[in-house]
Amino acid sequence: NAGVTQTPKFRVLKTGQSMTLLCAQDMNHEYMYWYRQDPGMGLRLIHYSVGEGTTAKGEVPDGYNVSRLKKQNFLLGLESAAPSQTSVYFCASSYGALYQETQYFGPGTRLLVL
Amino acid sequence: DQQVKQNSPSLSVQEGRISILNCDYTNSMFDYFLWYKKYPAEGPTFLISISSIKDKNEDGRFTVFLNKSAKHLSLHIVPSQPGDSAVYFCAASEGGATNKLIFGTGTLLAVQP
Repeated sequence: NAGVTQTPKFRVLKTGQSMTLLCAQDMNHEYMYWYRQDPGMGLRLIHYSVGEGTTAKGEVPDGYNVSRLKKQNFLLGLESAAPSQTSVYFCASSYGALYQETQYFGPGTRLLVL
Repeated sequence: DQQVKQNSPSLSVQEGRISILNCDYTNSMFDYFLWYKKYPAEGPTFLISISSIKDKNEDGRFTVFLNKSAKHLSLHIVPSQPGDSAVYFCAASEGGATNKLIFGTGTLLAVQP
């Protein structure tokens, strides 16, 4: 039982390049989330999904797109990377929102945009 | 507009003593609060939570206190151990169908041997 895994662990991009971050969970969780962590800012929600085929915007969605084609996977895309997107990205999942569900986090992806 | 605030970026405590980490919030609709612990190069891990219908929740060495009138919660670690050295994030949720969390900026706890 691997929990929540993220691919890749680290990536360097040039401004304008695109990439996709992959999140996978093996806990049969319905809900999945993408956060970014920046110094002095805590974790901020980018996008989230409440089930396969659904996505919704979080606090800071601009410049990102997401897809949830399979229940176990949640993809975060950057179409045209900008230096402001340099950050550590965390994926999380939870069973649902029946009542105050705990979110479980992956190990993170460190992204540097030059 | 920071809805969840952790005003102490860092805290240093001697091993065996009590660590007290504080968190303030502004949104009166928050009804569930959590503490996450994060080691370097790892994802946050859930530590303890409290519902707004309670004022205290205890789990081993960790106790969370909630003061709704003051919109304040605190995490007590007794006794503190060197392995507790990490960044601690406070988070809050309005509940509902999305389970979205709002995080504070974190407090770096250093427990000195």
